[in-house]
Amino acid sequence: SQQGEEDPQALSIQEGENATMNCSYKTSINNLQWYRQNSGRGLVHLILIRSNEREKHSGRLRVTLDTSKKSSSLLITASRAADTASYFCATDARGGGSNYKLTFGKGTLLTVNP
Amino acid sequence: SAVISQKPSRDICQRGTSLTIQCQVDSQVTMMFWYRQQPGQSLTLIATANQGSEATYESGFVIDKFPISRPNLTFSTLTVSNMSPEDSSIYLCSVITGPNQPQHFGDGTRLSIL
Repeated sequence: SQQGEEDPQALSIQEGENATMNCSYKTSINNLQWYRQNSGRGLVHLILIRSNEREKHSGRLRVTLDTSKKSSSLLITASRAADTASYFCATDARGGGSNYKLTFGKGTLLTVNP
Repeated sequence: SAVISQKPSRDICQRGTSLTIQCQVDSQVTMMFWYRQQPGQSLTLIATANQGSEATYESGFVIDKFPISRPNLTFSTLTVSNMSPEDSSIYLCSVITGPNQPQHFGDGTRLSIL
């Protein structure tokens, strides 16, 4: 089964700086989704980008998708201490029988220092 | 987006006992899923909860250990049976309303087995 891989595994920055996290995957996808998880709680959905889209914005978030390289990036601009969390990418594989099941990457732990 | 209520939010259980986790959605959804997140790890899909029929389990997960019910389009339960310390994890339900739609998650159930 495909497995997303995020890098870096951990990222520590100062408040106000930008944070970039990357995700790679192995097979063709319908879409890729980014999530945030605070302290082992539930997942908060951030952005869904479809396989035919290259870039998407939501507030301070910018997601890119390069299907030729099977990779995506999440950029958080002007970071805040409240952005401290784990960030996961998840892919919905293309192909019959996938039934919208998500395969998650290992996640990036982002720490934003005040 | 759908509002997902998951109960209990956390529990501490004795070895050998079973616990049933409930997932209630405020609207009818197409698909419901159950995921496990072991300590410090990413999410792994346990099964797809099928309305009115047996759940579809992923490799490594069996019905005897994780029986699942989905009596209607807004409710599902996951039972963790004959628990051992290795079952200590966060269990999360998720829902999706259709293709290329965001998959939303409940707040999770943090389960500790002594």
